[in-house]
Amino acid sequence: DAKTTQPNSMESNEEEPVHLPCNHSTISGTDYIHWYRQLPSQGPEYVIHGLTSNVNNRMASLAIAEDRKSSTLILHRATLRDAAVYYCILRDENNDMRFGAGTRLTVKP
Amino acid sequence: DAGITQSPRYKITETGRQVTLMCHQTWSHSYMFWYRQDLGHGLRLIYYSAAADITDKGEVPDGYVVSRSKTENFPLTLESATRSQTSVYFCASSESISTGRREKLFFGSGTQLSVL
Repeated sequence: DAKTTQPNSMESNEEEPVHLPCNHSTISGTDYIHWYRQLPSQGPEYVIHGLTSNVNNRMASLAIAEDRKSSTLILHRATLRDAAVYYCILRDENNDMRFGAGTRLTVKP
Repeated sequence: DAGITQSPRYKITETGRQVTLMCHQTWSHSYMFWYRQDLGHGLRLIYYSAAADITDKGEVPDGYVVSRSKTENFPLTLESATRSQTSVYFCASSESISTGRREKLFFGSGTQLSVL
């Protein structure tokens, strides 16, 4: 079973920020938090990952709670092309990477 | 930059037949993974491999066999296909056994398998 829980769906308006939450209450100290997204009819693609500190890249930001039991993926200005299913995954010491159902993000024009 | 390729892109087979899905990566990545995705659902891990000749079961390994004789190839075999194995199959790879967990996964385009 996946070690993370996410809302099934979220909606956003175009050009507004989106905060996608993920709970991982059983995370261990050495698990990395990875985020991927899957556009329709495509394979998943990497978005961002982190361990303890907040991370930024050209696609998004990742905010990690101090206790590491939750994290939030932040899309600063959602576009129609950001409509996808977003997955939060923990990569553990065994490198067993299990995806849950993810959050389906709808972006409204 | 060929990356990671899966073949065939589409496959139709019959119940009871053996079918092999191919996955090839050109980066010499240590880790490789096989996932299945059923219509309207997330991905479920079937098998993964940390290096050549090292494989481990994921969430749903029953009915599947994998091998990894070469680093770049990770074929997935359905020994006797069943209708419940109709799904889209994704292969993925990631770098370096020494830095494993911080490395991102690269996914192939998927194989859509229909078992009649």
